[in-house]
Amino acid sequence: GEDVEQSLFLSVREGDSSVINCTYTDSSSTYLYWYKQEPGAGLQLLTYIFSNMDMKQDQRLTVLLNKKDKHLSLRIADTQTGDSAIYFCAESHRYNTDKLIFGTGTRLQVFP
Amino acid sequence: EAGVTQFPSHSVIEKGQTVTLRCDPISGHDNLYWYRRVMGKEIKFLLHFVKESKQDESGMPNNRFLAERTGGTYSTLKVQPAELEDSGVYFCASSQERGQDGYTFGSGTRLTVV
Repeated sequence: GEDVEQSLFLSVREGDSSVINCTYTDSSSTYLYWYKQEPGAGLQLLTYIFSNMDMKQDQRLTVLLNKKDKHLSLRIADTQTGDSAIYFCAESHRYNTDKLIFGTGTRLQVFP
Repeated sequence: EAGVTQFPSHSVIEKGQTVTLRCDPISGHDNLYWYRRVMGKEIKFLLHFVKESKQDESGMPNNRFLAERTGGTYSTLKVQPAELEDSGVYFCASSQERGQDGYTFGSGTRLTVV
C-alpha cells in the first residue's frame, strides 16, 4: 500500500542540527522528496533524491536514504529560526511518477 | 515569471453550498495538479491534467467534486454541495516536464465548511 509516515513535531535550539525522519512503504518509488511549507505559503521543494542514491548534500541540507528499512531523513545543519516550518516527506507513485504520496508533515519549531 | 496563483486564499461556506476554487498555473505548463490537505493529515493527490485532459483523477473523493481545465490554461475545482469533511487546504501545482522536480505549488486555498 501507499503510506508515508512522519512524526508530527520537532523542537530544536537555534544553531543545533535538526533531523526529520520519514518512513515509506513503496520500495519501487523512483524519487523521494522533501518539501517545506512556511506559514501562509505554498509547498517549496527543498531537495529530492533518486532511489538509487544513499545520500545527497546541498549546503545545510543532508538527505539520507536507507532503502532496506525504507527510511528517509532530512538533516538541517546550524538550524535557524527561519527554518521553522512544516516539512513534508513525499514519494513518487510507482505507476505514475507525476503523482506524489505525502506524509502528514513534521512541524519544526526553532527556539533561540 | 509569475508563480502558481490560487484564488481565493480563504473561503468559508455553509454546508450544502457550492464553492469554486481557481488555479492559474505558470504560463506554458501543460501539467496541472490538485492536492488536498485535510486538517493535520497528509496531503493527498486529487487529480492531474495534461493540458485540458484529465490524465489521472483517481484521487477525487466523490462526485461532489468537479474539476475542469478549459482550453488547457487555468483550472477550477467545484465542490457541490459542500460537506463538513471537505474542509481543508486545496493546493494546486503545475509543471512543464513530468515527474522529478518540475512541480511548483501555489499557496493553497483554505476551505472551511461550517
